[in-house]
Amino acid sequence: AQSVTQPDIHITVSEGASLELRCNYSYGATPYLFWYVQSPGQGLQLLLKYFSGDTLVQGIKGFEAEFKRSQSSFNLRKPSVHWSDAAEYFCAVGARTGGGADGLTFGKGTHLIIQP
Amino acid sequence: NAGVTQTPKFRILKIGQSMTLQCTQDMNHNYMYWYRQDPGMGLKLIYYSVGAGITDKGEVPNGYNVSRSTTEDFPLRLELAAPSQTSVYFCASSERDYTYEQYFGPGTRLTVT
Repeated sequence: AQSVTQPDIHITVSEGASLELRCNYSYGATPYLFWYVQSPGQGLQLLLKYFSGDTLVQGIKGFEAEFKRSQSSFNLRKPSVHWSDAAEYFCAVGARTGGGADGLTFGKGTHLIIQP
Repeated sequence: NAGVTQTPKFRILKIGQSMTLQCTQDMNHNYMYWYRQDPGMGLKLIYYSVGAGITDKGEVPNGYNVSRSTTEDFPLRLELAAPSQTSVYFCASSERDYTYEQYFGPGTRLTVT
């Protein structure tokens, strides 16, 4: 069965500084990878996704992510964060889950705090 | 365009009570999903549907039931509420399977006491 690990529960970054959120996955085949963002009290919104092709993918709000097959990683980056980026970030792999169900398997999330 | 809507936003249930969480999407998506989100645990798939009349279990289906009589609606039923079902519930939809973007509703925060 597939799994997703986000090793950082909380990350604090100063406004204007660069950001990297880590994500490692475990999946036997070519993964479909996603990053979602959840603002307080809101549902999840897709930032970007990777299926195949160029391993550096661009997303909304100035985010990008790089797929590294050799490291089973899909880290999210942003060169300069804004206070509005404070949120919960989830990495997910799309696959048939255990028992044949279709859906996303999520990591536990990384809570991003922006310092002024 | 409303997207995915969920009602209610908040609910407190007593142990043993039942309720239905409503979910509606207006994007004509075939696939719909129910997830639960527990603190520090990410989201877990409860049930999903690939079209009207077709539903299937996800990772954590016990204690829940679903139905899909129309493309737009995908209600989640809790028959005998238990404290372990205290969670935030998210409904989502997508045009096709897990390879496609899922659109999420705002969530329902449920407390069972």
